[in-house]
Amino acid sequence: EVQLVESGGGLVQPGGSLRLSCAASGFTFSDHYMDWVRQAPGKGLEWVGRSTNKAHSYTTEYAASVHGRFAISRDASEKSLYLQMNSLKSEDTAVYYCVSWISGMGYWGQGTLVTVSS
Amino acid sequence: DIHMTQSPSTLSASVGDRVTITCRASQSISNWLAWYQQKPGKAPKLLIYKASSLESGVPSSFSGSGSGTEFTLTISSLQPDDFATYYCQQYNTDSPYTFGQGTRVEIK
Repeated sequence: EVQLVESGGGLVQPGGSLRLSCAASGFTFSDHYMDWVRQAPGKGLEWVGRSTNKAHSYTTEYAASVHGRFAISRDASEKSLYLQMNSLKSEDTAVYYCVSWISGMGYWGQGTLVTVSS
Repeated sequence: DIHMTQSPSTLSASVGDRVTITCRASQSISNWLAWYQQKPGKAPKLLIYKASSLESGVPSSFSGSGSGTEFTLTISSLQPDDFATYYCQQYNTDSPYTFGQGTRVEIK
């Protein structure tokens, strides 16, 4: 069974940093693309960024709203995906989900809440 | 980026009604489209993938159709558990996987 468990959310001041983790199990971690998606309170879903798979050298890409501030990485030995968030703004307040793409289907974690506020 | 336009934004319906939600892509995405259901405080739940394939465990009252730029999600007979917000997402290769704005299905 595919499982994704996010952690690392919390309260951070504007301009601060936070690293989110996503622990994956139930599938071959290196074979699949993985995304981060966020949802601000009361708003819709926003794609944040992606890590491709090993075959594509784990390349990353980002939404314009986070490019240059956020960075996605993987630790294959730990089967974990990370989202390093720097220079955080109030508009980054959201629930952050990790998503794994397997056989054309998106599998989602339960999300972790990030609140950016002074 | 591919822009997804979902309509309507809100839909009022009664139990037993047939409901249709539409999603339009700004360029062809073949059949790389998913539909999700989301309830308050919960993660989105996959209903349909590749435009028309029903995820395991999802009631057969849900169906998806379309290809290219026009897609629909149909609920053949609305049940009390179906009142929720629905999102489409395109996942065309090598593009950001953008979402529609969402459709809230509420009790009439």
